[in-house]
Amino acid sequence: SAVISQKPSRDICQRGTSLTIQCQVDSQVTMMFWYRQQPGQSLTLIATANQGSEATYESGFVIDKFPISRPNLTFSTLTVSNMSPEDSSIYLCSVGGTGFQETQYFGPGTRLLVL
Amino acid sequence: AQSVAQPEDQVNVAEGNPLTVKCTYSVSGNPYLFWYVQYPNRGLQFLLKYITGDNLVKGSYGFEAEFNKSQTSFHLKKPSALVSDSALYFCAVRVIGGSYIPTFGRGTSLIVHP
Repeated sequence: SAVISQKPSRDICQRGTSLTIQCQVDSQVTMMFWYRQQPGQSLTLIATANQGSEATYESGFVIDKFPISRPNLTFSTLTVSNMSPEDSSIYLCSVGGTGFQETQYFGPGTRLLVL
Repeated sequence: AQSVAQPEDQVNVAEGNPLTVKCTYSVSGNPYLFWYVQYPNRGLQFLLKYITGDNLVKGSYGFEAEFNKSQTSFHLKKPSALVSDSALYFCAVRVIGGSYIPTFGRGTSLIVHP
């Protein structure tokens, strides 16, 4: 299994500002995933981050709003830009699950409240 | 397309009683099914998965799930609930040989009363 850490664990931000969330994995992985979990709702995939290439965004998510960096095989960042109260969510980093019988693992999440 | 339904937003059970958290799915092909648990202020933790083989899968913390192909269900069960099992439970599915991106259900809040 993979051990994933995220920073910050939670934050309260003012609208119009940006927050960068860090994700660190204890082993090298090809793909890292960023999810959003809105209050009372399921997980929604924001984007897939591959080392050495641009992130792939899901429908409804754009790079200008959620820029992602993937500088090496154990680290990624997600920035939530120009925040509004609608961005208040839990943001989860995830790895694994891309291979046959492979399990997907999640970080502890970053709880964001935008005022 | 693939989808997951968790028909109950909340399940209440008394400590010591058996619990069931329901999940049904829809996929084109053979499913790869998972259960995750999210304790308060924590991330998702893997509980168990079904790929092939025995329809009854045993996982962490005494949980098990039964794959029923005819009913397209993968209900999570535990013979005797603990107060510490109170958490949010997510079912997820993806198609074997298909996209590696799973579809998650909306989650079921399990509340175990002392």
